[in-house]
Amino acid sequence: GNSVTQMEGPVTLSEEAFLTINCTYTATGYPSLFWYVQYPGEGLQLLLKATKADDKGSNKGFEATYRKETTSFHLEKGSVQVSDSAVYFCASYGNNRLAFGKGNQVVVIP
Amino acid sequence: AAGVIQSPRHLIKEKRETATLKCYPIPRHDTVYWYQQGPGQDPQFLISFYEKMQSDKGSIPDRFSAQQFSDYHSELNMSSLELGDSALYFCASVERGEDEQFFGPGTRLTVL
Repeated sequence: GNSVTQMEGPVTLSEEAFLTINCTYTATGYPSLFWYVQYPGEGLQLLLKATKADDKGSNKGFEATYRKETTSFHLEKGSVQVSDSAVYFCASYGNNRLAFGKGNQVVVIP
Repeated sequence: AAGVIQSPRHLIKEKRETATLKCYPIPRHDTVYWYQQGPGQDPQFLISFYEKMQSDKGSIPDRFSAQQFSDYHSELNMSSLELGDSALYFCASVERGEDEQFFGPGTRLTVL
């Protein structure tokens, strides 16, 4: 079945720094890929998505490109803000369900 | 825009009690998914329904059951609650023909 792997551990960085969160997937075929964000005490919000190879999803300054050759969907943002502090989940859709990565806690320090 | 509604938002139960969680999908969404997110964990798929029929089953314990009703809302019934059932339970809905899941705010269940 589908599975998603995210880089280990929380990410702490200063305001205006560059953010990268790695995500790789395994799947049969070419699943749709998603990044969800979860703010403290809240539910999951879709941040961006890509449905086929070379698609780039973007939203609120975040970007991720669907790379078939490296089976990756890394999340990037050029200049983070304190308000970006949250947990970020990579997910793939396949076999009629979403498979999530373990999530990365991002803490942005003023 | 209308969002997925879940009720209750918080629920506290004792061990061996039962609980019912409700999910109201976005209008015109006919597919509902349930996920369980333990503390510090990623969401795990439990069960899904399409057009009022169960369409797929994940890691849902036998003590849990769910159904989707004619108005497309769904209920997750949990019996013989255990401490390990304490988690955030999310419902997500999908519009026919799409794959983007819209999540509700979740129900936080605490079992004492």
